[in-house]
Amino acid sequence: DAKTTQPTSMDCAEGRAANLPCNHSTISGNEYVYWYRQIHSQGPQYIIHGLKNNETNEMASLIITEDRKSSTLILPHATLRDTAVYYCIVRVQNTDKLIFGTGTRLQVFP
Amino acid sequence: EAGVVQSPRYKIIEKKQPVAFWCNPISGHNTLYWYLQNLGQGPELLIRYENEEAVDDSQLPKDRFSAERLKGVDSTLKIQPAELGDSAVYLCASSLGGRGRVNNEQFFGPGTRLTVL
Repeated sequence: DAKTTQPTSMDCAEGRAANLPCNHSTISGNEYVYWYRQIHSQGPQYIIHGLKNNETNEMASLIITEDRKSSTLILPHATLRDTAVYYCIVRVQNTDKLIFGTGTRLQVFP
Repeated sequence: EAGVVQSPRYKIIEKKQPVAFWCNPISGHNTLYWYLQNLGQGPELLIRYENEEAVDDSQLPKDRFSAERLKGVDSTLKIQPAELGDSAVYLCASSLGGRGRVNNEQFFGPGTRLTVL
């Protein structure tokens, strides 16, 4: 599976959009981009995934560049409860293996 | 609907003692995973079950770790004997499984925090 690179930490003001970048320059054509997050003392939680088109759900939006070498997770209106570690993962479709990196620690402040 | 249940939530033992963790996956989920998470790191897969069969245990240290999933539902992860370096959070996850599923989302339990003294 392709390796991902994320910033170690980011801050975001409450109510503002949080944009979390991820580089996956060695991604293969059949690898999907997945995002999970882990709130303190909880297990990781699925957020969103995509292949090449931009995706949106009730939690977030995922923007994937045309060359698929990078992506951005967008939390449109961050709240204090969005403070967590966000993991960007690339995964081959129909395989169940998630390889987590160290993620980005997002701190949302009042 | 109940999520993935794990017990105990916390465990403190002395080195060389045995320890066991229990996981009850979401009802109907065929695939079960055990992960290890060290402080400041992302989770690492230890073993994956498809029903009662362990289909990926390549990262499980088999000299001291063992796991079972009898009847393809609950699972137990055991360490015997525990070492100081085993102090970590042990996470269990489950998913519907099955080939061809577009998004085999994994649902995680809260984990068991193990401290080995």
